[in-house]
Amino acid sequence: SQQGEEDPQALSIQEGENATMNCSYKTSINNLQWYRQNSGRGLVHLILIRSNEREKHSGRLRVTLDTSKKSSSLLITASRAADTASYFCATGGLYGNKLVFGAGTILRVKS
Amino acid sequence: DTAVSQTPKYLVTQMGNDKSIKCEQNLGHDTMYWYKQDSKKFLKIMFSYNNKELIINETVPNRFSPKSPDKAHLNLHINSLELGDSAVYFCASTPVDRRNYGYTFGSGTRLTVV
Repeated sequence: SQQGEEDPQALSIQEGENATMNCSYKTSINNLQWYRQNSGRGLVHLILIRSNEREKHSGRLRVTLDTSKKSSSLLITASRAADTASYFCATGGLYGNKLVFGAGTILRVKS
Repeated sequence: DTAVSQTPKYLVTQMGNDKSIKCEQNLGHDTMYWYKQDSKKFLKIMFSYNNKELIINETVPNRFSPKSPDKAHLNLHINSLELGDSAVYFCASTPVDRRNYGYTFGSGTRLTVV
């Protein structure tokens, strides 16, 4: 079964704007990861945040994690047309043995 | 060099046939996975192998049989294909310290059963 929900399901913004995607999950986790999937392609790992971390940055990406609310957000700043893709959050369980994915957010960045 | 490579990229076959998908990783990772992505883009884990040993089998029908001849390869054989097996199948791998590293995915095999 899916771990949780992603919100929104779809997001359409103009180039240069920021995009925020949210993810909620249900069980205790060891880490939470974000992946990008371009149409017809495989998933690309973007960032991993551990359960004892609250915020992490990587280039134009900022991820936050609130374990008390079992939620995470991914912020993409100064979006580009090339950021158009589906974004998935995934949770790594306590024993690190499998990754459970959310339903994904489809991001469209218009130029 | 492709880190995780899957073959074939596309597979169209008739119901009842048996088919295999191959996966190879050249990253030196110890753990490999098969994920299934359905038409609604939901990704679900099917199997996981750690150094040739099966560690996860997520209630997948017996028609699906993974095989790992060595830790760099994880193949998926499917018997008696059904229409509902149509999906994109992704292979992935992680290093032994999988709590601290993300997965590396292959580009997927789109299976269409007609």
